[in-house]
Amino acid sequence: DIVMTQSPDSLAVSLGERATINCKSSQSVLYSSDNKNYLAWYQQKPGQPPKLLIYWASARESGVPDRFSGSGSGTDFTLTISSLQAEDVAVYYCQQYFNTPPTFGQGTKVEI
Amino acid sequence: QVLQQESGSRLLKPSQTLSLSCAVSGDSFSIGGYSWTWLRQPPGKGLEWIGYINSLGISYYNPSLKSRVTMSVEGPKKQFSLTLSSVTTTDTAIYYCVRERTIARAFDIWGQGTLVTVSS
Repeated sequence: DIVMTQSPDSLAVSLGERATINCKSSQSVLYSSDNKNYLAWYQQKPGQPPKLLIYWASARESGVPDRFSGSGSGTDFTLTISSLQAEDVAVYYCQQYFNTPPTFGQGTKVEI
Repeated sequence: QVLQQESGSRLLKPSQTLSLSCAVSGDSFSIGGYSWTWLRQPPGKGLEWIGYINSLGISYYNPSLKSRVTMSVEGPKKQFSLTLSSVTTTDTAIYYCVRERTIARAFDIWGQGTLVTVSS
């Protein structure tokens, strides 16, 4: 299985400041046939299921605020929240689906 | 699009069988382009993919659970189901039914989850 490792495990960011979460995969998740990285990001608030934010490493899901952005390719990826809002307090997960089974990072807790 | 699964919680004893179902509202069940997935999350921990089934009944399970998992689909009812046999305490988790957008290989619609506790 592909192992996904996120860093840091937690971070505290002031309101309006930038939050950056890193995700590293144990092997490349870039599919050469379509040049897409099968890497997604999710946000999970307490007591709720995860919510899809980003897929294909950088494609924002419909309805997701544009302060959320994803970048990276191959094995190294980043989720950036450009200006942290109070409602962004959550745990964030990366997930690969280059091959089966899809696997998730351990999560990064973002606090104010 | 909404995935409706059993609310609340379940309590099972070790060696019993877990059965969960999920109802799909909207038209995505019949139009194609999606797979129907189960994931689980032990309390306070990360996410584990259990497996998927598509509307044609083709399924694929996580090798770590394959010997105990069965998924099924009922097209006319727009429902899909999970059976996990011989549960142990390590199966204690919130179980989510989830829609996978096949082209993106991402999980875009989630049920609210059912807490399953296995304890003697």
